[in-house]
Amino acid sequence: GENVEQHPSTLSVQEGDSAVIKCTYSDSASNYFPWYKQELGKGPQLIIDIRSNVGEKKDQRIAVTLNKTAKHFSLHITETQPEDSAVYFCAAFIGFQKLVFGTGTRLLVSP
Amino acid sequence: ETGVTQTPRHLVMGMTNKKSLKCEQHLGHNAMYWYKQSAKKPLELMFVYNFKEQTENNSVPSRFSPECPNSSHLFLHLHTLQPEDSALYLCASSQVLGQDDRNQPQHFGDGTRLSIL
Repeated sequence: GENVEQHPSTLSVQEGDSAVIKCTYSDSASNYFPWYKQELGKGPQLIIDIRSNVGEKKDQRIAVTLNKTAKHFSLHITETQPEDSAVYFCAAFIGFQKLVFGTGTRLLVSP
Repeated sequence: ETGVTQTPRHLVMGMTNKKSLKCEQHLGHNAMYWYKQSAKKPLELMFVYNFKEQTENNSVPSRFSPECPNSSHLFLHLHTLQPEDSALYLCASSQVLGQDDRNQPQHFGDGTRLSIL
């Protein structure tokens, strides 16, 4: 079936470093890719998204890039802070309204 | 209240009990979703409702029964659950834009942590 692969599963960085999380998807028709942050005891929170008609989108310290040919998309967090520590999920829509998630990346930012 | 609210936050039940999970969205959306989040597995879509009509049942066992009385409320009725049904159940909502078939962001609640004894 259609799936989304996400790497790495865990990522430890020092405060101020950058963090990169990478995902690949299998359905070439996918055209919208949201990223979610999930903190302990909370639901996933949408942090940034990208549609297939653009290759990059930035929002302050967060950016997402998309390579449709390779079916890759990545999340980049710059100048990481301890409050960025959470589990991050990439996702891709398979058809209409069917959102398929990656397995998650646990990011730990150490002061 | 803002966003998507789910109650209860935690639920412990035996396999023979019947209980219901409730979700309410205050975003003015017209589509609502149930997802299951288990340890070490990706979030799994269970049900989709558009304008109160169920449009997707992702091969979910009949012991899970959804109900959507209006565009703001969604329920998940549970009966005769199995231990493997223990998980975090998440509700989400989004806006379906009529003739525009582009996908829109889904916004999640904080979930109900369900434990089956």
